[in-house]
Amino acid sequence: DVKVTQSSRYLVKRTGEKVFLECVQDMDHENMFWYRQDPGLGLRLIYFSYDVKMKEKGDIPEGYSVSREKKERFSLILESASTNQTSMYLCASSPSIPTPTDTQYFGPGTRLTVL
Amino acid sequence: KNQVEQSPQSLIILEGKNCTLQCNYTVSPFSNLRWYKQDTGRGPVSLTIMTFSENTKSNGRYTATLDADTKQSSLHITASQLSDSASYICVVRGGGGNKLTFGTGTQLKVEL
Repeated sequence: DVKVTQSSRYLVKRTGEKVFLECVQDMDHENMFWYRQDPGLGLRLIYFSYDVKMKEKGDIPEGYSVSREKKERFSLILESASTNQTSMYLCASSPSIPTPTDTQYFGPGTRLTVL
Repeated sequence: KNQVEQSPQSLIILEGKNCTLQCNYTVSPFSNLRWYKQDTGRGPVSLTIMTFSENTKSNGRYTATLDADTKQSSLHITASQLSDSASYICVVRGGGGNKLTFGTGTQLKVEL
């Protein structure tokens, strides 16, 4: 079974802090994604990566950065956390060469609260 | 603009009853449509995926339908169980860049 793990289930940080969210997948997938999920808005793509050291902006990249130094690990960084970044953050991975039936496998999510 | 709208927003049913969740989309061109189940505090898990040529697909007590002409899909749950309580998210791939567009989900609660 594909397993996507995220470093923390719950996180509480203060405004202005630097926050790291870590995601690890064990299926040798090339593609990794970071989403945030807010009530009434659905999942929104922040950043994604198709390969090591590659990154692409999603729909809402402002205030975030990412790092992918190893194939299995994709980190989301909040350089200076703000209260409007309080949200559920979901990491996902998928195999390369997107096909009509490609599946994204999601981690359990990290609920981040910024005070 | 590519959009995916789901209805109802929330639903409460008694255990053992059937229910149907709706998904309407404007994504074009269309590649595929997927239904996810998301338990509280967990990430979404894929239930079914349908491409243009498929009208119906089943996964146990879950049956998804797709009408590509009217751009509508439904997820029918038969003989509901307490464990079906979750958020059900419709996701459509397509449009410029063949991207994913997520619906906001239907929150289902199954009660005794």
